[in-house]
Amino acid sequence: KQEVTQIPAALSVPEGENLVLNCSFTDSAIYNLQWFRQDPGKGLTSLLLIQSSQREQTSGRLNASLDKSSGRSTLYIAASQPGDSATYLCAVRPDSNYQLIWGAGTKLIIKP
Amino acid sequence: NAGVMQNPRHLVRRRGQEARLRCSPMKGHSHVYWYRQLPEEGLKFMVYLQKENIIDESGMPKERFSAEFPKEGPSILRIQQVVRGDSAAYFCASSPPTAPGGLREKLFFGSGTQLSVL
Repeated sequence: KQEVTQIPAALSVPEGENLVLNCSFTDSAIYNLQWFRQDPGKGLTSLLLIQSSQREQTSGRLNASLDKSSGRSTLYIAASQPGDSATYLCAVRPDSNYQLIWGAGTKLIIKP
Repeated sequence: NAGVMQNPRHLVRRRGQEARLRCSPMKGHSHVYWYRQLPEEGLKFMVYLQKENIIDESGMPKERFSAEFPKEGPSILRIQQVVRGDSAAYFCASSPPTAPGGLREKLFFGSGTQLSVL
């Protein structure tokens, strides 16, 4: 059974720092992995989608990596800003299955 | 190009009442998914629908919960005789019709409906 874990559960850093959020999954047979951002009252925003054949994806200050064999993904945020404060969720799509399996998220606070 | 629209944003019900949650997918999307997020937990899959068909409802409780996606109009998640444990955020997502099963496609999520049962 696929399980997704995100560590840490919460993180508070000063503005301007680079940071890494971690996501681990127990079954390497995945189709893709997606990182989302959740803002209170604003739903979920897809940040990056990495297909199983890819190693990383980049969008602006965000870079997501995927290591299927070790069951890990990281989301790297460069030069963090207060507007990056949100909960970041990692979701795995198992092989040949449309259901997303979600981590519980990392709540990120960027202090001005 | 409007995104996935969910309404209402907030819904308050007393125990025993019915809750109806609506989801209009993005234009051109024919796949709809419902997820539930309990406090301090990750989202959990509930049901996957295509127009007029329930493809997978394995994540839905067997009783009191039902979902539909009619030919015309939004997808509806219906909870009968709500209990306090139904209090959660309910998210709808949609994806475009690609073969096979749209596995490679991103899901686009709505803002969710926060259901509170008193």
